Amino acid sequence: EPEVTQTPSHQVTQMGQEVILRCVPISNHLYFYWYRQILGQKVEFLVSFYNNEISEKSEIFDDQFSVERPDGSNFTLKIRSTKLEDSAMYFCASSATASPNSPLHFGNGTRLTVT
Amino acid sequence: RKEVEQDPGPFNVPEGATVAFNCTYSNSASQSFFWYRQDCRKEPKLLMSVYSSGNEDGRFTAQLNRASQYISLLIRDSKLSDSATYLCAVNTGGTALIFGKGTTLSVSS
Repeated sequence: EPEVTQTPSHQVTQMGQEVILRCVPISNHLYFYWYRQILGQKVEFLVSFYNNEISEKSEIFDDQFSVERPDGSNFTLKIRSTKLEDSAMYFCASSATASPNSPLHFGNGTRLTVT
Repeated sequence: RKEVEQDPGPFNVPEGATVAFNCTYSNSASQSFFWYRQDCRKEPKLLMSVYSSGNEDGRFTAQLNRASQYISLLIRDSKLSDSATYLCAVNTGGTALIFGKGTTLSVSS
């Protein structure tokens, strides 16, 4: 079964540094997402992306965050200047369509630790 | 007001038991509903979509009550491997899924 893959599995960075989290969505999917989960908290939507544009973003996704699809396979999340409160699991997801009924397929996540 | 609410549990049940979880949502315009399963420190995995007429997948049954704005998940004949956190997720018409905090199930022998 096709999978969404994410790298690295764990990223440790110092406050103020830039990080880039990488994802390879399922190959025939067209819609891409980033979610995050702070330890012990719920999974929270960050951003959705389609046709090289952001479709929707949450209030969490402020100017410190950006997304990019630099080539035909990768989808990245950049945090420009990390803060302690950015420490969380970051999940990439993809779906075949943007239909509300289209389920999301999640990657195995990147654990970001900001020290 | 929380958008999607779940009883966090934990629900501790013996193998073979039947257990039910509820999830309430606040946005009456919500269009689609899902149950995901999440193992400790892993990604959410789709368990099942929830359809208006209710639907069943093996030991799992999901139901939707639009009037009362809740969805439910029933697990019959619980297995040890069913131990996990069950996340309710709701789409309110955009591209975002809104998740509940999850209900933890522990099945013991």
